[in-house]
Amino acid sequence: TQLLEQSPQFLSIQEGENLTVYCNSSSVFSSLQWYRQEPGEGPVLLVTVVTGGEVKKLKRLTFQFGDARKDSSLHITAAQPGDTGLYLCAGHSNYQLIWGAGTKLIIKP
Amino acid sequence: EPEVTQTPSHQVTQMGQEVILRCVPISNHLYFYWYRQILGQKVEFLVSFYNNEISEKSEIFDDQFSVERPDGSNFTLKIRSTKLEDSAMYFCASSDGQSSGNTIYFGEGSWLTVV
Repeated sequence: TQLLEQSPQFLSIQEGENLTVYCNSSSVFSSLQWYRQEPGEGPVLLVTVVTGGEVKKLKRLTFQFGDARKDSSLHITAAQPGDTGLYLCAGHSNYQLIWGAGTKLIIKP
Repeated sequence: EPEVTQTPSHQVTQMGQEVILRCVPISNHLYFYWYRQILGQKVEFLVSFYNNEISEKSEIFDDQFSVERPDGSNFTLKIRSTKLEDSAMYFCASSDGQSSGNTIYFGEGSWLTVV
């Protein structure tokens, strides 16, 4: 069974601080996607990473795919209260996505 | 921006009743999916659909469930004889299967409550 371990599960920090969320697996994924989900809503795509070692930036968010395509990280610089939410990673395997449990992020003003 | 749309947004049904959840995937997409998320739990894969047939399904997707693409735009999930444990948010998703990483886009979800 393929698993995607996401950490930390919960993170509460002050506005302006930096943070990193990790997704780790023993399995190789053809691609990995990061989503943000608000309560009662569907996951909204942030980014897809495909190539081992790939780095993508989305404003203050930096996403990296591990060289072996087994892990990924999301780094947020100078976090803002608007970044508060649930961040999910999902690895692409055959026709389905294997999901992490999510990181609930709270940014305090 | 194109999006996946789902109806209804919320449905309450009695145990044992049949439910049909409807989805309109992004128009040029070829792969369609249903996922579900029980309150407070991980998103779970149910089924993927391509070329008018199921390409992959999970253990959750038993004989109680079926999917159909009745026309060129809709993709439905039918749950026969609903059970209390079917209460969850059901997400439809689609992808074009060709873009880098085969990115999957999700709808807003249909919240099903079985009473």
